[in-house]
Amino acid sequence: RKEVEQDPGPFNVPEGATVAFNCTYSNSASQSFFWYRQDCRKEPKLLMSVYSSGNEDGRFTAQLNRASQYISLLIRDSKLSDSATYLCVVNLLRSYIPTFGRGTSLIVHP
Amino acid sequence: DAGITQSPRHKVTETGTPVTLRCHQTENHRYMYWYRQDPGHGLRLIHYSYGVKDTDKGEVSDGYSVSRSKTEDFLLTLESATSSQTSVYFCAISESVGRDTEAFFGQGTRLTVV
Repeated sequence: RKEVEQDPGPFNVPEGATVAFNCTYSNSASQSFFWYRQDCRKEPKLLMSVYSSGNEDGRFTAQLNRASQYISLLIRDSKLSDSATYLCVVNLLRSYIPTFGRGTSLIVHP
Repeated sequence: DAGITQSPRHKVTETGTPVTLRCHQTENHRYMYWYRQDPGHGLRLIHYSYGVKDTDKGEVSDGYSVSRSKTEDFLLTLESATSSQTSVYFCAISESVGRDTEAFFGQGTRLTVV
């Protein structure tokens, strides 16, 4: 079983829709969690960190569920510019190797 | 944006030739990583470094070697390139580990082995 798993999608949604992605991780010693965004033929860039209490940045909300070992990303009021691949990243306790999921593809259409 | 550059950005090479990719950072970050990204596999770690001359293997290290003689440079070498090494290679850097420590990526190198 891969350490970090994501549904590859694609999620195909209309503008204005709300869409949510989940990412499961297998190692309970995981310490820190992130969502990255990757545009086509570009490098990944940090979208947001994920905190135990949940956090929000504009239209984006990230949640962590340690009991069930998953993190989620909710995007409200989707924009065409949100079309990208969203990568889940997990760091183990005292590890300096970020582990990436394979990514979830989002396509927002008019 | 973090000061991290990769060179070359694109390269076409023949099977059996050696190839070296360079990652240069101006952030003085301790940790540096080489990943490859292929359709259906996502980002896979090749090698990483936790300091000058301190490196270790990742999950797909066969056929690759690395060197880090200075904080700012991390080199990835394909000793004898094969077609299976055609990929997009990303270098990443990180200041430390733990909470709120993000990795910054270079723009990538597209390598084609013919």
